[in-house]
Amino acid sequence: QSALTQPASVSGSPGQSITISCTGTSSDVGGYNYVSWYQQHPGKAPKLMIYDVSNRPSGVSNRFSGSKSGNTASLTISGLQAEDEADYYCSSYTSSSTLLVFGGGTKLTVL
Amino acid sequence: EVQLVESGGGLVQPGRSLRLSCAASGFTFDDYAMHWVRQAPGKGLEWVSGISWNSGSIGYADSVKGRFTISRDNAKNSLYLQMNSLRAEDTALYYCAKETIAVAGTPPGLHGMDVWGQGTTVTVSS
Repeated sequence: QSALTQPASVSGSPGQSITISCTGTSSDVGGYNYVSWYQQHPGKAPKLMIYDVSNRPSGVSNRFSGSKSGNTASLTISGLQAEDEADYYCSSYTSSSTLLVFGGGTKLTVL
Repeated sequence: EVQLVESGGGLVQPGRSLRLSCAASGFTFDDYAMHWVRQAPGKGLEWVSGISWNSGSIGYADSVKGRFTISRDNAKNSLYLQMNSLRAEDTALYYCAKETIAVAGTPPGLHGMDVWGQGTTVTVSS
């Protein structure tokens, strides 16, 4: 069981927008602005898409955006493209001795 | 070019030990916290361990605490993971990853990981 809860799958058509949620507790997502999001294509290493809740690393498309409300963080992808089809993972700093936790991952299908 | 290259994986029997290494290049290694993240076959990402720039702050996942030890040698631009008492459930692809922002005095794990290696495979089986 992952520490952060994500939907197993989401889908959308090209051009549409989708949102992936990531629910934790006040000890992780809700307590800190240290949520990150990763994209992983099959057989590839993860790629950082968002850090510190809403910051995009250089080179990441502005179609990707992050936000947080209470204990739930969200990743929104607008203008869906076929290349966005991948697995997406959230992570958060946690006040426990573990320091960092991941969500279970969400498979995005572009219809 | 910023690069992380893992090595040291392989097939090992349950209960035995293995040491993973990660060679860093293209950035000022001793400025950044570093992490190990693993992915079991067909499963999601699992954070294993992280270490601050000066080794002053270290954390472990509950699943490896007491069995794994993370360390770094800033003079050699290298990160290590000593894995003892290995179990079948430790079988995974192990990634080395660099923290996104260099901030002295903070624990590892705050700002995400922006550079990843290609991973080294660890298989624990008799």
